[in-house]
Amino acid sequence: EVQLVESGGGLVKPGGSLRLSCAASGFTFSTYSMNWVRQAPGKGPEWVSSISSTSTYIYYADSVKGRFTISRDNAKNSLYLQMNSLRAEDTAVYYCARDLQITGYTGTAPEYWGQGTLVTVSS
Amino acid sequence: QLALTQSPSASASLGASVKLTCTLSSGHINYAIAWHQQQPEKGPRYLMKVNNDGSHNNGDGIPDRFSGSSSGAERYLTISSLQSEDEADYYCQTWGTGIQVFGGGTKLTVL
Repeated sequence: EVQLVESGGGLVKPGGSLRLSCAASGFTFSTYSMNWVRQAPGKGPEWVSSISSTSTYIYYADSVKGRFTISRDNAKNSLYLQMNSLRAEDTAVYYCARDLQITGYTGTAPEYWGQGTLVTVSS
Repeated sequence: QLALTQSPSASASLGASVKLTCTLSSGHINYAIAWHQQQPEKGPRYLMKVNNDGSHNNGDGIPDRFSGSSSGAERYLTISSLQSEDEADYYCQTWGTGIQVFGGGTKLTVL
């Protein structure tokens, strides 16, 4: 059974930093692209970032480019999101998601979603 | 610009069928999409991928009463034999090189 468990969310002041983690199990983590998707309160999901299986290809949404960094450790079956210079508009539940994995693409559709971790940016 | 448009709301009766629509932006009408369901107070769940030829592949554990189809720039999600637990938000989503986009979602009410 595919399991994705996020951690690291919490309350942070504007301008602060936070590092999210996602522990993966139930599949061969090292062979799948992975995604971070967020959902602000009362809003729909918003794609944040994707990373290929070997970290060769990395993509970010314009809204987080230059502030967020996605990474992975295949030996630890873990995905990370380093979030710097946080803003109020970054407040959201952040989901880790295993990619659907379509040949030729890094980051297509979330096929398996974690339960999410809440990040609140407020003074 | 890659974008998806969904009607904000839909409703149908218990046991009936409903067809939700997702429209791809001009210039992207051949893109495949995915459908995701989000029940109240829960995280999203992947339902299926719908290709531009109308073929679809349901995700693990998704019953056959959920199906997908396509016509031109439109991608559809049909839910038959509606159950109370189908009351949820439904999001379509697509991708290109280095980008993923979600539609605004359709809130389905089961009467």
